[in-house]
Amino acid sequence: GAGVSQSPSNKVTEKGKDVELRCDPISGHTALYWYRQSLGQGLEFLIYFQGNSAPDKSGLPSDRFSAERTGGSVSTLTIQRTQQEDSAVYLCASSAGLAGYNEQFFGPGTRLTVL
Amino acid sequence: AQSVTQPDIHITVSEGASLELRCNYSYGATPYLFWYVQSPGQGLQLLLKYFSGDTLVQGIKGFEAEFKRSQSSFNLRKPSVHWSDAAEYFCAVGAWNTPLVFGKGTRLSVIA
Repeated sequence: GAGVSQSPSNKVTEKGKDVELRCDPISGHTALYWYRQSLGQGLEFLIYFQGNSAPDKSGLPSDRFSAERTGGSVSTLTIQRTQQEDSAVYLCASSAGLAGYNEQFFGPGTRLTVL
Repeated sequence: AQSVTQPDIHITVSEGASLELRCNYSYGATPYLFWYVQSPGQGLQLLLKYFSGDTLVQGIKGFEAEFKRSQSSFNLRKPSVHWSDAAEYFCAVGAWNTPLVFGKGTRLSVIA
């Protein structure tokens, strides 16, 4: 009965490097969300998956950001050529994706620091 | 556009005192409303949610919230605050299987 897990918990990288952040949703959850939490900015939506498809990518801040989901399970958020403004906590959430409202369960996040 | 406003960035209350955290929203359709709590270094935990029906909803840890459609508000309350309630509180709005729109949060400090 594990919850949503994310790895790594902390990532420090140099400006210009690429990073990959991983999210393991709750088993059986078909919907998966990525959010970004920046200091003073609250939580911003990045991208939403239903199964392996991403019907809503509207929150991705630039084309340096991409995400994929394979097997309807694990998702990877990739940031290319990182910039200092990418420093934030990246949160993943999953939900059952059934008809009607489904609660989103959040992981502990990955804290990204770009030097 | 959908938005959530939490007017108070930081609130300090004494242990045992009552608490009210404000939340106002703007949403095109009938919203689902949520309050989440985030303790330092922790993920988000759902305190309570409102979908329809009774406008006063009860949550975990002794929290409650009241939906007021006329005021577009969903304020969070607790009659007696405990030191362990010190955390960041987020109000959010959404719909079925949609991304949530969050407020910027209210940080609660509790003093003896």
